[in-house]
Amino acid sequence: AQSVTQLGSHVSVSEGALVLLRCNYSSSVPPYLFWYVQYPNQGLQLLLKYTSAATLVKGINGFEAEFKKSETSFHLTKPSAHMSDAAEYFCAVGGGTASKLTFGTGTRLQVTL
Amino acid sequence: DADVTQTPRNRITKTGKRIMLECSQTKGHDRMYWYRQDPGLGLRLIYYSFDVKDINKGEISDGYSVSRQAQAKFSLSLESAIPNQTALYFCATSESSGSSGRWQYFGPGTRLTVT
Repeated sequence: AQSVTQLGSHVSVSEGALVLLRCNYSSSVPPYLFWYVQYPNQGLQLLLKYTSAATLVKGINGFEAEFKKSETSFHLTKPSAHMSDAAEYFCAVGGGTASKLTFGTGTRLQVTL
Repeated sequence: DADVTQTPRNRITKTGKRIMLECSQTKGHDRMYWYRQDPGLGLRLIYYSFDVKDINKGEISDGYSVSRQAQAKFSLSLESAIPNQTALYFCATSESSGSSGRWQYFGPGTRLTVT
């Protein structure tokens, strides 16, 4: 069984500030972990993925995430927020032989001037 | 052209009507999925198909059915729509093997309103 918990349904940061979106997972098998971003009125776009290689994963648009097995976490960070980062972000976990994913409930990121 | 397309993009229907949402993909992927998105609930899996002859229920399949007409097409039907099926519906695809088979490509979504 797998599950994902995203802490904070809404996060607000100032432009230029650090972005930190939290994700904790539970998985009975070695996990694959993903962050997706959803811009208004659009589908989900893959931001980055962890597939058992390097624990620090770099994605698009300056985002990165670090897999910490001891903490069962995969938090998403960006050093400096931009207005265009305003979107909803979903963490997802997969694993085992199937490619099914379990998604978190999402975190809406607001970026203010 | 988009790799994963969904039709219609928006639909308003009445309670009790049958409705079909369609998904087509040009990625050549074997696996296809249907999700619904509700505010505060994230995405929940309705049905998934690993190939044309392999269709499986997801966590919330009641009230829905699917058809995999070809490798590239996967349709979702609501036999008798009810208001709590109002949601944003997404189709997704993935490869069938390797680490790249672990992530999914999403269509743009269909916004369905049942009145």
